[in-house]
Amino acid sequence: DTAVSQTPKYLVTQMGNDKSIKCEQNLGHDTMYWYKQDSKKFLKIMFSYNNKELIINETVPNRFSPKSPDKAHLNLHINSLELGDSAVYFCASSQTGTKASRGYTFGSGTRLTVV
Amino acid sequence: AQTVTQSQPEMSVQEAETVTLSCTYDTSESDYYLFWYKQPPSRQMILVIRQEAYKQQNATENRFSVNFQKAAKSFSLKISDSQLGDAAMYFCAFDSWGKLQFGAGTQVVVTP
Repeated sequence: DTAVSQTPKYLVTQMGNDKSIKCEQNLGHDTMYWYKQDSKKFLKIMFSYNNKELIINETVPNRFSPKSPDKAHLNLHINSLELGDSAVYFCASSQTGTKASRGYTFGSGTRLTVV
Repeated sequence: AQTVTQSQPEMSVQEAETVTLSCTYDTSESDYYLFWYKQPPSRQMILVIRQEAYKQQNATENRFSVNFQKAAKSFSLKISDSQLGDAAMYFCAFDSWGKLQFGAGTQVVVTP
């Protein structure tokens, strides 16, 4: 069973479109994240949710809207896609609060290409 | 704000040899976590090793070990007996208050 699964793995779309990336984790973790990896492989956090509550919201355009229907799911919706949004988007999860269990599990990433 | 610096864009190592990747970080926190992640061409992010800052003992995982110097804010990764499958991008990461921050990465090339 995949611990953190993202769909789709690849997404090619035209500028101006709206798209969503879905993420689900079956680890029972209470916190989920979205990270963006740019063309230079640099990884940066975008959002984190703890038990469906938004905890971290980095400087991300309003066109990006995360939605967490429950603590096992965190979806990313992107409006009015731009060329600069092309990147690999990673979902991750972790269990906060206990030092012994601290660690992050990543999904396999979604490569978004805007043309 | 915390920063993570990996000063080696690329390191080359021969099979069976040892390579050390450097990582330094800057923080005013006293309690935090440090990680090394491996990203092969498949782009999957794989946890290699984890270190809690309150533990003085260096973490080891099979052929992977770290040299954690808290006062110097240094966290290097040593890969022993390198194998072809170790070829990947390696990221050092710092975690405090649930915000994982990454260095720019070091590409490890393994030659036969």
